Amino acid sequence: QQPVQSPQAVILREGEDAVINCSSSKALYSVHWYRQKHGEAPIFLMILLKGGEQKGHDKISASFNEKKQQSSLYLTASQLSYSGTYFCGTGTSGTYKYIFGTGTRLKVLA
Amino acid sequence: DGGITQSPKYLFRKEGQNVTLSCEQNLNHDAMYWYRQDPGQGLRLIYYSQIVNDFQKGDIAEGYSVSREKKESFPLTVTSAQKNPTAFYLCATTSPGENEQFFGPGTRLTVL
Repeated sequence: QQPVQSPQAVILREGEDAVINCSSSKALYSVHWYRQKHGEAPIFLMILLKGGEQKGHDKISASFNEKKQQSSLYLTASQLSYSGTYFCGTGTSGTYKYIFGTGTRLKVLA
Repeated sequence: DGGITQSPKYLFRKEGQNVTLSCEQNLNHDAMYWYRQDPGQGLRLIYYSQIVNDFQKGDIAEGYSVSREKKESFPLTVTSAQKNPTAFYLCATTSPGENEQFFGPGTRLTVL
């Protein structure tokens, strides 16, 4: 089952904050976050493995709730370079199958 | 330099022709993947392979075929049975352990 992301799209001014959510009806094995610029391949941002985990670097951080059914990506003091489409992704325990969330388009305006 | 290469970057084909997209990696990763992305849409899994000579269908395998004869290579053939093949195709590998995906630059296929 494909994880559902919200919002589908968001427009920000430089310096504003954003939160992107990734929700699943079943517990996720793990969750990865990626950013994709138009016409390019997605780039890995971070991974969360454990329920209740929080991690981040610089102004981008993420959390994974205790039940492992929701993850959120936090973008603080957004910069123009943050524009792109953000995807969560997850593997499946016991197999190598991998699926991505529905995606969130983020645009940062000057 | 370790990485994933896909060729060509742009590909044009006439309707009804089969076409093979190349994906090569020198990361020594076991698992490889093919995804399709339509404009403004997400990534949908076509096929994946955990090991040489073994592969599994993803969510949209109809009209596609793959082979995995070498660890480094995972070519994707888009057959004439694929009704709407025009899309951006991404190849990826998975690192052992944490399973994040590493992507090639992609091939943009246009069927005329």
